Amino acid sequence: DVVVTQSPLSLPVTLGQPASISCRSSQGLVHSDGNTYLNWFQQRPGQSPRRLIYKVSYRDSGVPDRFSGSGSGTEFTLTISRVESEDVGVYYCMQGTHWPRTFGQGTKVEIK
Amino acid sequence: EVQVLESGGGLVQPGGSLRLSCAASGFTFITYGMSWVRQAPGKGLEWVSAISTSGGSTYYADSVKGRFTIFRDNSKNTLYLQMNSLRAEDTAVYFCAKGTQCDYWGQGTPVTVSS
Repeated sequence: DVVVTQSPLSLPVTLGQPASISCRSSQGLVHSDGNTYLNWFQQRPGQSPRRLIYKVSYRDSGVPDRFSGSGSGTEFTLTISRVESEDVGVYYCMQGTHWPRTFGQGTKVEIK
Repeated sequence: EVQVLESGGGLVQPGGSLRLSCAASGFTFITYGMSWVRQAPGKGLEWVSAISTSGGSTYYADSVKGRFTIFRDNSKNTLYLQMNSLRAEDTAVYFCAKGTQCDYWGQGTPVTVSS
């Protein structure tokens, strides 16, 4: 199985400042169809997960443009350009190229 | 509006069975694969299973292979997860998600395996 490793696991941030989360996979995520299926999810306290980013860098509908995804191969990053209070929660990456799908451990974002 | 609504969770004894359902609406169900993901209390997300549009291809996490069965009824726009030989470690909230990339999630249904 593909192992997905996130860092850091805890991320205290200052409001208005940038934040970045790293996601590394044990195998390359380029699918045979040429796409790289790396997704990012946000789970706010007490809520269901919500997908933010798909195929590394495409924002889902309604996702603020302060969220961006980047990366290739086995290393990927989620960046929040200016953290707002509503961004508090746990963020997960998930590789969607190989079976079984696998999630990272999650990164808890909190306000300092 | 896309909606997926899980049901069927509850308390079950170890070794018992439970069938979860996920009623989908607001999108053309037959054109999407579907997924189940679970979250144990206080823990992260764990992918459980997925199924192709027709139901002809199914995929499982090693932790549930041989015990859980995913299937769908496209005439009813409903996804299912049959869970047999349940263990304490299967205790979790079970989420249904649209697509094999999990682009939209339901609110989840809790499953507790305990004597």
